[in-house]
Amino acid sequence: KAGVTQTPRYLIKTRGQQVTLSCSPISGHRSVSWYQQTPGQGLQFLFEYFSETQRNKGNFPGRFSGRQFSNSRSEMNVSTLELGDSALYLCASSSTGAGETQYFGPGTRLLVL
Amino acid sequence: AQSVTQLDSQVPVFEEAPVELRCNYSSSVSVYLFWYVQYPNQGLQLLLKYLSGSTLVKGINGFEAEFNKSQTSFHLRKPSVHISDTAEYFCAVRGSSNTGKLIFGQGTTLQVKP
Repeated sequence: KAGVTQTPRYLIKTRGQQVTLSCSPISGHRSVSWYQQTPGQGLQFLFEYFSETQRNKGNFPGRFSGRQFSNSRSEMNVSTLELGDSALYLCASSSTGAGETQYFGPGTRLLVL
Repeated sequence: AQSVTQLDSQVPVFEEAPVELRCNYSSSVSVYLFWYVQYPNQGLQLLLKYLSGSTLVKGINGFEAEFNKSQTSFHLRKPSVHISDTAEYFCAVRGSSNTGKLIFGQGTTLQVKP
């Protein structure tokens, strides 16, 4: 099976812009989670989608949003970008969530100038 | 709510020496425990996980971890490390309810020296 894919891999934006990141889970996986990784804050949970519904949400401002499509592909959007949004954004998929292994994609590295 | 503390930010060790990376967690509910590894410019790869049963869990690449409920610890060990084990290691917990939310520790950088 193909692994989790994320596009684009690298992105440069300026403050105030918005950005959309995409994640394609492993075939058959219905749960997709997003994480932000920064040197200062480490790995932080953004949100989880399961069967097109947001099942969990982390402590991020409303500028961060996501959605999941019927084919389980997911997108996350960040509006009004700030310098502090520069990070590696990781997507993970699993078959049901809970005790199932989450498989991570390679991430999208976002730089906000 | 859950939290994870990785007690060492960096662990230098010589090749072929044993290593232990320490992880303590806090939770008011039952949890699942995980160790992930991240190589430079890559995503996270699962090393091993504890869901239930035997407290000694064996994973990939010769790693193992022991779940200690009384000490709320899940330390990662390898009897003999290789240069290729140089990476960042993350301990994570997840509530045993039906959720995919992982709470990660701050990470431990393992530096294997020749």
